[in-house]
Amino acid sequence: QQQVKQSPQSLIVQKGGISIINCAYENTAFDYFPWYQQFPGKGPALLIAIRPDVSEKKEGRFTISFNKSAKQFSLHIMDSQPGDSATYFCAMNSGGYQKVTFGTGTKLQVIP
Amino acid sequence: DVKVTQSSRYLVKRTGEKVFLECVQDMDHENMFWYRQDPGLGLRLIYFSYDVKMKEKGDIPEGYSVSREKKERFSLILESASTNQTSMYLCASSKTGQETQYFGPGTRLLVL
Repeated sequence: QQQVKQSPQSLIVQKGGISIINCAYENTAFDYFPWYQQFPGKGPALLIAIRPDVSEKKEGRFTISFNKSAKQFSLHIMDSQPGDSATYFCAMNSGGYQKVTFGTGTKLQVIP
Repeated sequence: DVKVTQSSRYLVKRTGEKVFLECVQDMDHENMFWYRQDPGLGLRLIYFSYDVKMKEKGDIPEGYSVSREKKERFSLILESASTNQTSMYLCASSKTGQETQYFGPGTRLLVL
């Protein structure tokens, strides 16, 4: 069963633009919301993560916005660069339980 | 740095063959995971293990089995490979109490 819906499936952004990827979830038991970044030929790696007690977390050009009441969270990439071209997965963990639920992925291409 | 290695980057097998995919992590992590990654479907959990000789089914265990005889090593077994098991297989590990999963580079398996 699909517990998280990620959109869009693919995204093309001009260099310097803002990339926005959205995820919506159903299960309110989740308490940790990471984003993973995957470059071609590599495994995913943690990019940034947020807990539901805050509405926003920023690390450099990457920001997670979290809307607990709407059960949605999104990744914003400011000043997008060609080096940001990768596949991004939203994910959710619950209660220290080690199992992670992943979104379907968004392939981002940043064009010069 | 956490390192997760997978035995092969590319593998070509014939239908009906028994296939072994091996994963090794060097950070003494308790938890290990096998995912398959398919376009548009994201990462789907096949099996995971939270201790030596322990295993739990994930979301899509049919057609797969696993073995964890040592803490650092987690093997995925395809008893009789089928063409619908052609996919990218990703191994990951994590430490109990920490949410981050660390991924290997993946094995791209083609079943003919």
